[in-house]
Amino acid sequence: DAGVTQSPTHLIKTRGQQVTLRCSPKSGHDTVSWYQQALGQGPQFIFQYYEEEERQRGNFPDRFSGHQFPNYSSELNVNALLLGDSALYLCASSWTAGGSNQPQHFGDGTRLSIL
Amino acid sequence: AQRVTQPEKLLSVFKGAPVELKCNYSYSGSPELFWYVQYSRQRLQLLLRHISRESIKGFTADLNKGETSFHLKKPFAQEEDSAMYYCALSESYGGATNKLIFGTGTLLAVQP
Repeated sequence: DAGVTQSPTHLIKTRGQQVTLRCSPKSGHDTVSWYQQALGQGPQFIFQYYEEEERQRGNFPDRFSGHQFPNYSSELNVNALLLGDSALYLCASSWTAGGSNQPQHFGDGTRLSIL
Repeated sequence: AQRVTQPEKLLSVFKGAPVELKCNYSYSGSPELFWYVQYSRQRLQLLLRHISRESIKGFTADLNKGETSFHLKKPFAQEEDSAMYYCALSESYGGATNKLIFGTGTLLAVQP
């Protein structure tokens, strides 16, 4: 089992562009969460998807949106990119059906750089 | 507001010395607390969670609700313990897997 996989590993964009990041959860997991990690900071929660719906959302603007597919994989979309969006974006998967607060497993992340 | 505080950005100890990584939290409800670790060039991984009350790789952490702390301890540090450690808090409600609130992390450097 490869665990949580994310693509691409690195991405360079310019201000105003749009980006899509992808995540495949660990086998058997049904829930995907996305986090943004700025340099020198801990990960910050963006949102969580379960049963193809956004279940929880952190303090991020509407420019950040997502989607979950029937196979549980997920995408994170960011529109109108700003310099401040430069960060490592982490995907984490977990198993909601397994009961309350199952551990979240993280991917390696996508490093997004905005020029 | 929910918050996790790790006051030390860097903790440097010698091999064999005791280690204590501090974590304090602010949360009005009944939180679940976790320690995550990131070794060099590896992904973030769960080290331990307070409800398990386990010792993993010699590390333990006790939830102290009176002091709102969840410090990570190890009696004898090893060089392979060198890594970035993050304390995280999760709400517990509705039987769901809930968002994690992370601290800023502490880099543990174990010197030979």
